[in-house]
Amino acid sequence: AQSVTQPDIHITVSEGASLELRCNYSYGATPYLFWYVQSPGQGLQLLLKYFSGDTLVQGIKGFEAEFKRSQSSFNLRKPSVHWSDAAEYFCAVGAPTSYDKVIFGPGTSLSVIP
Amino acid sequence: DTEVTQTPKHLVMGMTNKKSLKCEQHMGHRAMYWYKQKAKKPPELMFVYSYEKLSINESVPSRFSPECPNSSLLNLHLHALQPEDSALYLCASSLQGSAYNEQFFGPGTRLTVL
Repeated sequence: AQSVTQPDIHITVSEGASLELRCNYSYGATPYLFWYVQSPGQGLQLLLKYFSGDTLVQGIKGFEAEFKRSQSSFNLRKPSVHWSDAAEYFCAVGAPTSYDKVIFGPGTSLSVIP
Repeated sequence: DTEVTQTPKHLVMGMTNKKSLKCEQHMGHRAMYWYKQKAKKPPELMFVYSYEKLSINESVPSRFSPECPNSSLLNLHLHALQPEDSALYLCASSLQGSAYNEQFFGPGTRLTVL
């Protein structure tokens, strides 16, 4: 079965600084990988996804993520953070198992200092 | 229309009450999901409907009863809940019930059980 970890529970960055959120997964083959964002009191919104091909994927709101098979990682990056990026970020992994469900990581809470 | 709507936004109920949560989408998606999310935690999958048939039940207690009247509507009937059932209940939909499809989330219903 697949699983996903996010080592950082909470991260604080200054507005304009770069950001990297870590995600590690466990699965025997290449899984489907996602990053979702949840603003306070809201549902989740997909930032980007990776299934195959180019290991650097671009998403919405200026985010990108890089898939590294050797490290079982799918880290999310943004070169310059805006105050509106403060939110909860969830990495998720899916696999074509009989259940076809997506497993969410524990999440990383991002705070942005003006 | 890329929106998933959920009603009500907030619900307070006693342990002997019967209530229902409603979810609606008009994107032509054929898979719909119920998740439970506790504070500072990731969403936990409860149920998945695929082509209006229940395809996944994550061993959810029978006091939660899902219903999918048609491809656009998803209900969650609640009866005899416990205080620990208080949480944010999220509905989501996707094109098909497969792990590689993006899920579109509603804003959730905040449920409090007294």
